[in-house]
Amino acid sequence: EVRLVESGGGLVKPGESLRLSCEVFGFPFATAWLSWVRLAPGKGLEWVGRSKSKNDGGEINYAAPVKDRFIISRDDSKNTMFLQLNSLKTEDTAVYYCTTDPLWTAGDYWGQGTLVTVSS
Amino acid sequence: DVVMTQSPLSLPVTLGQPASISCSSSQSLLSSDGNTYLNWYQQRPGQSPRRLIYRVSKRDSGVPDRFSGSGTGTDFTLKISSVEAEDVGFYYCMQGTLWPPFTFGPGTKVSIK
Repeated sequence: EVRLVESGGGLVKPGESLRLSCEVFGFPFATAWLSWVRLAPGKGLEWVGRSKSKNDGGEINYAAPVKDRFIISRDDSKNTMFLQLNSLKTEDTAVYYCTTDPLWTAGDYWGQGTLVTVSS
Repeated sequence: DVVMTQSPLSLPVTLGQPASISCSSSQSLLSSDGNTYLNWYQQRPGQSPRRLIYRVSKRDSGVPDRFSGSGTGTDFTLKISSVEAEDVGFYYCMQGTLWPPFTFGPGTKVSIK
């Protein structure tokens, strides 16, 4: 069974940092392209960033609002992708989901989400 | 960036009746490889999103056949042939042709009358 499990959310103050994790079970992590998507309160889905597998070049891309503040990385030995959130702003408050690549035709899998709240 | 718009933003429907959501993109989503990367997602209350449709009209595994997608270029449609209670939630289109970034539409809230 394929599962994606996020963790690491919490309440932080503006300007602080947080690291989210997404552990993947049930499919070959090393070849997987994965994305982070967030859902802010009262808003719609927003793509945050994408990590290609190292086999496919390891390219990482970010949405403009988070570029230069968020960092995606992965540890293939732990089947885990990370999202480092730095210089957090109140507008980063959202549920953060990890998901398989939106363009992957073999399936679509999402984690349960982890809530990040940025508030003073 | 490609801007995605959807209409309507709110769609009250009667159980058993059809429903239709439109999605438009600010640029053509026809890729140079001949594919059109337009997905539809459903997010039920309290649940994670799930993809219903990819490449305009291909249903994901486990998606009921009452959901169908169509369209070309810049204009796309998601249709539900006969709405059921479990279809309540938000629906989003998303383009994957001109990335980064992947861009979602604003979402359409489907409710039961």
